Amino acid sequence: AQSVTQLDSQVPVFEEAPVELRCNYSSSVSVYLFWYVQYPNQGLQLLLKYLSGSTLVESINGFEAEFNKSQTSFHLRKPSVHISDTAEYFCAVSPWGAQKLVFGQGTRLTINP
Amino acid sequence: DVKVTQSSRYLVKRTGEKVFLECVQDMDHENMFWYRQDPGLGLRLIYFSYDVKMKEKGDIPEGYSVSREKKERFSLILESASTNQTSMYLCASSSPGQGAYGDSPLHFGNGTRLTVT
Repeated sequence: AQSVTQLDSQVPVFEEAPVELRCNYSSSVSVYLFWYVQYPNQGLQLLLKYLSGSTLVESINGFEAEFNKSQTSFHLRKPSVHISDTAEYFCAVSPWGAQKLVFGQGTRLTINP
Repeated sequence: DVKVTQSSRYLVKRTGEKVFLECVQDMDHENMFWYRQDPGLGLRLIYFSYDVKMKEKGDIPEGYSVSREKKERFSLILESASTNQTSMYLCASSSPGQGAYGDSPLHFGNGTRLTVT
């Protein structure tokens, strides 16, 4: 079975500051890794994903995440956040060969002006 | 763009009522899912379906059932609603994936916030 732990339930930061949202996972098999974002009153949207290849993956809006197999982590980072990044962020894993996502508890990112 | 539509944004039902939550996707996706979202617990999988008339239990199926008579539609049924089923319910769909099974992202609806009184 798989499990995902997001280490912070809430992260407040100032606008233009850097941010890191932490995600650790546990699995006995190889997994695919995802970050989803949920803006207020909306469903979840895919932010980025790691399937294979380079361990650093990027999104179109400046977020990046690095897969670290030895530490079983997939932390999400952005060097400079904007008010529009205010949302809840979910880390998720999917075991190879099974279309079944397991989600973390979510991290609420709040941007202060 | 894939569109996943959930029929109701807000729903208020009484304890003991039978409740139907409807979800329709327009991209001919084989896979469909129902999750519930609760603060501090993230998303938990209730049921999923890989094909018409097929269903599999997720992590928290108790008190729920599902129906998939057509490929585009996946219904979640609360046989006898209880107050502990007050939650946000999210429907999602996906294709089988380009490579090994499991690499395809989910496309979510905007959710149905169900309150059971």
